Amino acid sequence: DTGVSQDPRHKITKRGQNVTFRCDPISEHNRLYWYRQTLGQGPEFLTYFQNEAQLEKSRLLSDRFSAERPKGSFSTLEIQRTEQGDSAMYLCASSRDRGLVSNTEAFFGQGTRLTVV
Amino acid sequence: LAKTTQPISMDSYEGQEVNITCSHNNIATNDYITWYQQFPSQGPRFIIQGYKTKVTNEVASLFIPADRKSSTLSLPRVSLSDTAVYYCLVGDIEYNNNDMRFGAGTRLTVKP
Repeated sequence: DTGVSQDPRHKITKRGQNVTFRCDPISEHNRLYWYRQTLGQGPEFLTYFQNEAQLEKSRLLSDRFSAERPKGSFSTLEIQRTEQGDSAMYLCASSRDRGLVSNTEAFFGQGTRLTVV
Repeated sequence: LAKTTQPISMDSYEGQEVNITCSHNNIATNDYITWYQQFPSQGPRFIIQGYKTKVTNEVASLFIPADRKSSTLSLPRVSLSDTAVYYCLVGDIEYNNNDMRFGAGTRLTVKP
């Protein structure tokens, strides 16, 4: 399977615990995005990497959230001291940097569904 | 960044053609228009992208008028499996710009 993979698919955690999600993008893609999606809403942008550099971070991303992409390959999203409001689907996407061509064609993973109890 | 406006929901019947229109009045010269499809519990899937006039692929057609202030995604002869949420994105071709931002989308329900 050469698509974007996310792990785990589901996570249930108690409030206050830390969780970490992993995303493996398509191998030749140098852009990687994280989104959060709640029921009935569109995906909300969280952060974006170009290779290993985190180029943009949404104001939605509180200090409890941190993302990394060491060596420009896989990425992790960590949420510290989880709250019930963090319950959502966390989506990862990757795309190829096409230079002076529109960069709005991306490939998404199946997502990680987080439930904070 | 150009903002988009889409109908919240649409209903159709199997075998009909469905047209979903997206308004993007502030679209810039360099912006492309991209549509995604999302099924429940899955990530969005790229459908089609265009800049002007008409683009067609094996899944859909995208119609863009000369002023580019709107675009219409056309799904021919829909089936029950086309029931999904459809998102319109407008993106800038400027290098390193990130325009992968989604609105609420249009929830299409195809009925038998």
